[in-house]
Amino acid sequence: EVQLVESGGGLVQPGGSLRLSCAASGFTFSSYEMNWVRQAPGKGLEWVSYISSSGSTIYYADSVKGRFTISRDNAKNSLYLQMNSLRAEDTAVYYCARERSDLSCLFCIDYWGQGTQVTVSS
Amino acid sequence: QSVLTQPPSVSGAPGQRVTISCTGSSSNIGAGYDVHWYQQLPGTAPKLLIYGNNNRPSGVPDRFSGSKSGTSASLAITGLQAEDEAHYYCQSYDNSLSVHVVFGGGTKLTVL
Repeated sequence: EVQLVESGGGLVQPGGSLRLSCAASGFTFSSYEMNWVRQAPGKGLEWVSYISSSGSTIYYADSVKGRFTISRDNAKNSLYLQMNSLRAEDTAVYYCARERSDLSCLFCIDYWGQGTQVTVSS
Repeated sequence: QSVLTQPPSVSGAPGQRVTISCTGSSSNIGAGYDVHWYQQLPGTAPKLLIYGNNNRPSGVPDRFSGSKSGTSASLAITGLQAEDEAHYYCQSYDNSLSVHVVFGGGTKLTVL
């Protein structure tokens, strides 16, 4: 069974930092591209960042570019999101999301974690 | 606002059919990229509902179907049930922006 379990969320002051982790199991983690997607309170889904299966290709949403860093450790089956210079508008539930990349489901997210809450407030 | 446009809300009575539209542009849906749909029940993570425009993952009832034409896509739900009340999001890829994937703003389905 595919499982994605996020951790590391919490309350942080503006300007502070947090590191989110996502523990993957039930599949060959090193074969899949991964994403972070967030959802602000009462709002829709917002893509945050992408990392290829090897970690060699990375993309960020403009809203987090220069402040967030995505990484992965395939030996530990783990995905990370280092978040620096946090702002109030970064307050959201952050989801770890597996991307399926076969031709029938190109750029689609077939599994999501349960999410971890990040609250940026003084 | 979102790159893909969805109506904020739709509603229908049990047993009825409802559709949710998703309008994009020539750099995403109109460029030929597939549309995927997600269902988010209250307090839970999103779940893949339709992939590749009109395919259902195992376990998704055939009451749910998708279609795509031009720069738009639609999700149809027939035989509406109370448990279908949720938020629905469309998603695609956009080749014009510095993004990887784009989502619609979401549609809240209310079962009357």
